[in-house]
Amino acid sequence: DAGVIQSPRHEVTEMGQEVTLRCKPISGHDYLFWYRQTMMRGLELLIYFNNNVPIDDSGMPEDRFSAKMPNASFSTLKIQPSEPRDSAVYFCASSFDGEKLFFGSGTQLSVL
Amino acid sequence: GQQLNQSPQSMFIQEGEDVSMNCTSSSIFNTWLWYKQDPGEGPVLLIALYKAGELTSNGRLTAQFGITRKDSFLNISASIPSDVGIYFCAGQLWSARQLTFGSGTQLTVLP
Repeated sequence: DAGVIQSPRHEVTEMGQEVTLRCKPISGHDYLFWYRQTMMRGLELLIYFNNNVPIDDSGMPEDRFSAKMPNASFSTLKIQPSEPRDSAVYFCASSFDGEKLFFGSGTQLSVL
Repeated sequence: GQQLNQSPQSMFIQEGEDVSMNCTSSSIFNTWLWYKQDPGEGPVLLIALYKAGELTSNGRLTAQFGITRKDSFLNISASIPSDVGIYFCAGQLWSARQLTFGSGTQLTVLP
C-alpha cells in the first residue's frame, strides 16, 4: 500500500492567494483527519471525516478554511484568502478504526 | 478541553543509554498512543494501549498505560542513532474520535 499521499509537499504563496492542499487516504480507511503542526501550537486537529461526511470541524480556525471529501479516495483543504499566520505543516491522516492514525508526509505551507 | 503535558521537552543521550518520557493528562483517557516523527515526515504509530495498567512492548520500546488512566510512559532501551526524532503521546476518549496530542519530546542520540 502506498500509504497516505499528500500534495504538494511544499507550497509557497503570497498573502491573499488561494491555497489547496490535497490528500489521498489509504484505501479502505473510513476516517480522514486534517491536522496542522506549528512550533507554537504543536499538532492541532482541524477537521475529520467519517465515510466522507464531516464529523467535527470545530478545529477549523476561521471561515477562510474549508475542507471537502467528495469521495472515499480524495480530500482537499482550502485556504482562501491565505495569510502569513497560516504558515505551517499540514498533515492528512487516515484510519480504519478512528484510533490508529496513518499520517501522510505533510505539506509545508509558507505564506509570504 | 483535555490537555496533555509531555516531558521532557528534549533529551540528549549517549548511544546505548535507556530513555524514558511520559505524559500526564488533566482528565482520563480510554486509549493512549505513542507516535514518532522523523524530520520532514508525518508521525508514525509506535504503540497503542487500551487498558489501565497495560504494559506493551514493541522491540526496544515499552509503553505503559497508567493505573489512573491519566498518564502514560514510554521507555526506549539501548538507544541507537535512528531513534532520533520527536516522540508524541496521544490520548483518546471512546466518546470522541479526536486524538489529543502532547507537545512532543525531541530526542537526540549522540554517538
